[in-house]
Amino acid sequence: EAQVTQNPRYLITVTGKKLTVTCSQNMNHEYMSWYRQDPGLGLRQIYYSMNVEVTDKGDVPEGYKVSRKEKRNFPLILESPSPNQTSLYFCASSFGRDEYEQYFGPGTRLTVT
Amino acid sequence: GENVEQHPSTLSVQEGDSAVIKCTYSDSASNYFPWYKQELGKRPQLIIDIRSNVGEKKDQRIAVTLNKTAKHFSLHITETQPEDSAVYFCANSGYALNFGKGTSLLVTP
Repeated sequence: EAQVTQNPRYLITVTGKKLTVTCSQNMNHEYMSWYRQDPGLGLRQIYYSMNVEVTDKGDVPEGYKVSRKEKRNFPLILESPSPNQTSLYFCASSFGRDEYEQYFGPGTRLTVT
Repeated sequence: GENVEQHPSTLSVQEGDSAVIKCTYSDSASNYFPWYKQELGKRPQLIIDIRSNVGEKKDQRIAVTLNKTAKHFSLHITETQPEDSAVYFCANSGYALNFGKGTSLLVTP
């Protein structure tokens, strides 16, 4: 089954404790991205990757890191999480950046206390 | 990214009525306009999209219209049903894909 998976689905952590949210897709998509969703603010892009070893900042990259060592995986790293990073996070993948359907993962609800 | 303005933020309609959600954008280079539906607790999923060389596209009860001159596009849902209740996001793509802030649609029986 073609899909985008994320783990964990739910996470409660404390300020400053490094965490990684994994994202994997099995559709051979070149483009992958991370969004955060907050009430009233819609979907805001954090980082994106056009291909392996190619990553770039989105609209709200502060406090986040990413890597793209393999085509199928695109982990999101929070080196020192803060309460303002409490949010719902979605990974997405597609064949290209601009004019292709984005396939979203199931979401990761993160709470930072 | 370039802003895309979406209105209204909330919309409540009676079952069977029509619903219209409008978006405006500023990037004149935009040429792809998708709409995503997000049901409660679920991921966003593409429901319909339109490209700049087309003025209207229909898929059963949903349709999207595009006015490139005025830089706005709209989602039309006819004969609404309770299962249409969800958050709808418009987006436009030029240099990058930009999402609107979403419209929460409630269809009451």
